[in-house]
Amino acid sequence: DAKTTQPNSMESNEEEPVHLPCNHSTISGTDYIHWYRQLPSQGPEYVIHGLTSNVNNRMASLAIAEDRKSSTLILHRATLRDAAVYYCILRGTSGTYKYIFGTGTRLKVLA
Amino acid sequence: DSGVTQTPKHLITATGQRVTLRCSPRSGDLSVYWYQQSLDQGLQFLIQYYNGEERAKGNILERFSAQQFPDLHSELNLSSLELGDSALYFCASSVGQGAIGDTQYFGPGTRLTVL
Repeated sequence: DAKTTQPNSMESNEEEPVHLPCNHSTISGTDYIHWYRQLPSQGPEYVIHGLTSNVNNRMASLAIAEDRKSSTLILHRATLRDAAVYYCILRGTSGTYKYIFGTGTRLKVLA
Repeated sequence: DSGVTQTPKHLITATGQRVTLRCSPRSGDLSVYWYQQSLDQGLQFLIQYYNGEERAKGNILERFSAQQFPDLHSELNLSSLELGDSALYFCASSVGQGAIGDTQYFGPGTRLTVL
């Protein structure tokens, strides 16, 4: 399974955009990039996923590098409720469908 | 609220004992996944069931077993418990077998403490 590398922690001010990076230099052509987040004392929550093109949904945007070796999760206006651990996960399209969670990035949002 | 329920919320037991954790998936979801989250190991995938059949296996110990019943709820059985089994156990569910686009929805977890 391909691995991802994320910074251990990041800080952001409330109502400012946040860019959470993820490196996945060993990604294969069929690996999808998924992002989940885990709020304190809760289970992980789906945020977004993509393959090659940038993706947007109501929660966030996902920007994928042209060579797909890195991606960035963008929260357009961070709120205090966005304070969580954000996980970047690669999932293939064949074989088992398990998620391999890394250590994630702990996002702290300052009021 | 993800729609996935887990019971109990907390469980305290002694080494050597056996416990059963229960998970009810979201209505309509056929897959159930079990994960273990400990401080030193992070979130680890244990096992997946799809419509009653084992679909994928992760780092699940032989002392642990799971099953999915005809009503699609699942149970994770942990036996001969050790101190190191203390962790948060999450259940997740999805509509299909877990292919791309098949989002996993996680429950609130069961916190197991082994004394």
